[in-house]
Amino acid sequence: GAGVSQSPSNKVTEKGKDVELRCDPISGHTALYWYRQSLGQGLEFLIYFQGNSAPDKSGLPSDRFSAERTGGSVSTLTIQRTQQEDSAVYLCASSLGVTGYEQYFGPGTRLTVT
Amino acid sequence: RKEVEQDPGPFNVPEGATVAFNCTYSNSASQSFFWYRQDCRKEPKLLMSVYSSGNEDGRFTAQLNRASQYISLLIRDSKLSDSATYLCVVNTRYSTLTFGKGTMLLVSP
Repeated sequence: GAGVSQSPSNKVTEKGKDVELRCDPISGHTALYWYRQSLGQGLEFLIYFQGNSAPDKSGLPSDRFSAERTGGSVSTLTIQRTQQEDSAVYLCASSLGVTGYEQYFGPGTRLTVT
Repeated sequence: RKEVEQDPGPFNVPEGATVAFNCTYSNSASQSFFWYRQDCRKEPKLLMSVYSSGNEDGRFTAQLNRASQYISLLIRDSKLSDSATYLCVVNTRYSTLTFGKGTMLLVSP
């Protein structure tokens, strides 16, 4: 079946602009996660959504970052007033649930802030 | 102490070698364990789950030691295609997965 999809695959933006990154999870997966990974670094957890519960935003690095998930499916990660340090690969993952379930990742969006 | 710790490597091994990675975790309440593989500039992909009794999938064997709070991954008869970064992943009962920073494996001809 279809895996997790993300768009765009690459995004180059100027410092100070806003960007939106999209994630389409695997059908039927109730949990959706956003991570970012800088070059040569590990995964940094940003936020996750589980069903209709309030999202866990504990990993968001600043108030410039926000995310929403509409209809329990597609999610959008928004970065306002982008900074050069926001340059990274933003990965989305989904799973059947949170506790004990493996996550399946999308191919990521490579964001470059110039 | 970090939640999940791994030796970053790289581990350089010749084809056909056996190589083992360990990973330690800090939260004794951790209940689910996985190994993921990440190729350069690609997304992480699930390699295998780690069960309490240990489990094997072809050339790969994963083991869990709850008393010492570590998990291991053994790769036998290494192939060039095994070159990747291996991520140790731990999940506590009510939390999301915590990813280690990974161990890099380089298999040479």
